[in-house]
Amino acid sequence: GENVEQHPSTLSVQEGDSAVIKCTYSDSASNYFPWYKQELGKRPQLIIDIRSNVGEKKDQRIAVTLNKTAKHFSLHITETQPEDSAVYFCAASIRADGLTFGKGTHLIIQP
Amino acid sequence: DAGVIQSPRHEVTEMGQEVTLRCKPISGHNSLFWYRQTMMRGLELLIYFNNNVPIDDSGMPEDRFSAKMPNASFSTLKIQPSEPRDSAVYFCASSLLQSNQPQHFGDGTRLSIL
Repeated sequence: GENVEQHPSTLSVQEGDSAVIKCTYSDSASNYFPWYKQELGKRPQLIIDIRSNVGEKKDQRIAVTLNKTAKHFSLHITETQPEDSAVYFCAASIRADGLTFGKGTHLIIQP
Repeated sequence: DAGVIQSPRHEVTEMGQEVTLRCKPISGHNSLFWYRQTMMRGLELLIYFNNNVPIDDSGMPEDRFSAKMPNASFSTLKIQPSEPRDSAVYFCASSLLQSNQPQHFGDGTRLSIL
């Protein structure tokens, strides 16, 4: 089955700086890659997703890139703010199947 | 839109008892997913349904776990008998049954087995 690796497990950045979280996947058939943000005690919330026919997608301060050849994708957050502090999960799936999640990255925004 | 609704939000029970978790998907969504989240194993897919039919239950840990979806607006996840290692947050998510549609999560059920 699919295996998703996520790095780093913890990331601390200064407010206003950029943050990058990287994921790799194992199944070349995977074609959907969402990113979720989870605050403590809350549900995972979708923040951005990308499909395999696209190499990059941007939504305001958040962007995701996908390299199908290397089987890796990344989340980029620019101009980080205190409210960006949370755990971020990458995931992969094939068509309408269930998601395989990475282990998560705890993002800490230092004031 | 009310979103995915799960109940109960919290459940504390003694080992050996039967536990039933409930989920109401977003109206119009025809795919439903059950996930479990623990510190050790992260977020894991347990089972999912398309049009009320179970498609993949390979993530269900043991025969003690069972899930049903009797209609398009309701699903249950049952653990019988429950064990302390079943303690986790159980999330339900729903989506449209089309390729690459986003999944929307409920608020989860925090389950503690004593």
